Amino acid sequence: DAKTTQPPSMDCAEGRAANLPCNHSTISGNEYVYWYRQIHSQGPQYIIHGLKNNETNEMASLIITEDRKSSTLILPHATLRDTAVYYCIVRVVRGIIQGAQKLVFGQGTRLTINP
Amino acid sequence: EAQVTQNPRYLITVTGKKLTVTCSQNMNHEYMSWYRQDPGLGLRQIYYSMNVEVTDKGDVPEGYKVSRKEKRNFPLILESPSPNQTSLYFCASSLSYGARNTQYFGPGTRLTVL
Repeated sequence: DAKTTQPPSMDCAEGRAANLPCNHSTISGNEYVYWYRQIHSQGPQYIIHGLKNNETNEMASLIITEDRKSSTLILPHATLRDTAVYYCIVRVVRGIIQGAQKLVFGQGTRLTINP
Repeated sequence: EAQVTQNPRYLITVTGKKLTVTCSQNMNHEYMSWYRQDPGLGLRQIYYSMNVEVTDKGDVPEGYKVSRKEKRNFPLILESPSPNQTSLYFCASSLSYGARNTQYFGPGTRLTVL
């Protein structure tokens, strides 16, 4: 299984862009990079995902390096509500039917947005 | 509103007393899954289901059972709960089981087994 490495914690000032890095050097060609976040003990919330190209949605942008060994999640204008644990996940395929998948959550990055 | 619901949200029980945590989704999703979250261990998959009557073990299935008789429901059954099953449990669902499908999580069930 491809593993991810994230810094355990980061701080960012409110209104600034928060850039969260993730290393996934063993990623294989058909594995997607997903980002989720968990606010306190709520259910994890999907943010964004990508395969090769950079992606943007209403929540964030995802920048994937050309060699796909690392990525960066960008929250363009962080607010206090963005304080959460952010998980970078590489989707794993397993199970009795090809394509069955699970999310392997690491320890994530605890992002604190400061006023 | 599209959502995954879990019940109960909080439960305190005693060792050996059978319990069921329900999970329901209203998005007509094929894939459903149960995770548990423990401090320092992150979220770990317990069981998953790719469709009605199709289930498989995750990483930590011991002590748990599941069933998928209807597409919308995926209950988690603890036949004889033990204190090491004290945890925060999440149910998740996605449209299908491919890697491109986003998983949506329920609000969680905090279980304490005394």
